[in-house]
Amino acid sequence: EAGVVQSPRYKIIEKKQPVAFWCNPISGHNTLYWYRQNLGQGPELLIRYENEEAVDDSQLPKDRFSAERLKGVDSTLKIQPAELGDSAVYLCASSPRLAGDGTDTQYFGPGTRLTVL
Amino acid sequence: GENVEQHPSTLSVQEGDSAVIKCTYSDSASNYFPWYKQELGKGPQLIIDIRSNVGEKKDQRIAVTLNKTAKHFSLHITETQPEDSAVYFCASNRGSTLGRLYFGRGTQLTVWP
Repeated sequence: EAGVVQSPRYKIIEKKQPVAFWCNPISGHNTLYWYRQNLGQGPELLIRYENEEAVDDSQLPKDRFSAERLKGVDSTLKIQPAELGDSAVYLCASSPRLAGDGTDTQYFGPGTRLTVL
Repeated sequence: GENVEQHPSTLSVQEGDSAVIKCTYSDSASNYFPWYKQELGKGPQLIIDIRSNVGEKKDQRIAVTLNKTAKHFSLHITETQPEDSAVYFCASNRGSTLGRLYFGRGTQLTVWP
């Protein structure tokens, strides 16, 4: 079974430019997460989807970040315009809705390493 | 948000020795505690998890213990091997059904042959 797929793996852009990341979750997983991982730290949740609905986006900086999961499968995270502080690894994860009580295992993709110059 | 403190930040052991990483949490509603291993250039991979109705869980060389009273949980790796070298993250939820995880800052484990 294929894992979570993310692209691109690396992206270098200049500040004020837009950037987009793509994620394809594990087949059949209803829940999709976007995390940001700064250097030397653990991942921090940006947004969580249940199917196509964003159910937890309280940590998403909405002035410059946006996300969509139109058909409840793959998802795109966008930053416009990018700032120097956005340099980080952006991780996508997915989980099946088995227990549905917040304890379902989250499976992570390899991440996209963003460098903003 | 939920504070998860993780110690130590770095840990070096000789191959064959045991390694222990400890985490503490603040919210007593937390009921799920996964541990992830992250190798360089890869995403975090779940290695073991424990729920609050269990005090200990073991999977071959890896074990996790949970002390709900003291609000801490620990990862134990026995008979360490060089391929165990990676960054290990603990995490917890807040008892929420939203699935949000709060991660520690990670422990860089190095196993010397």
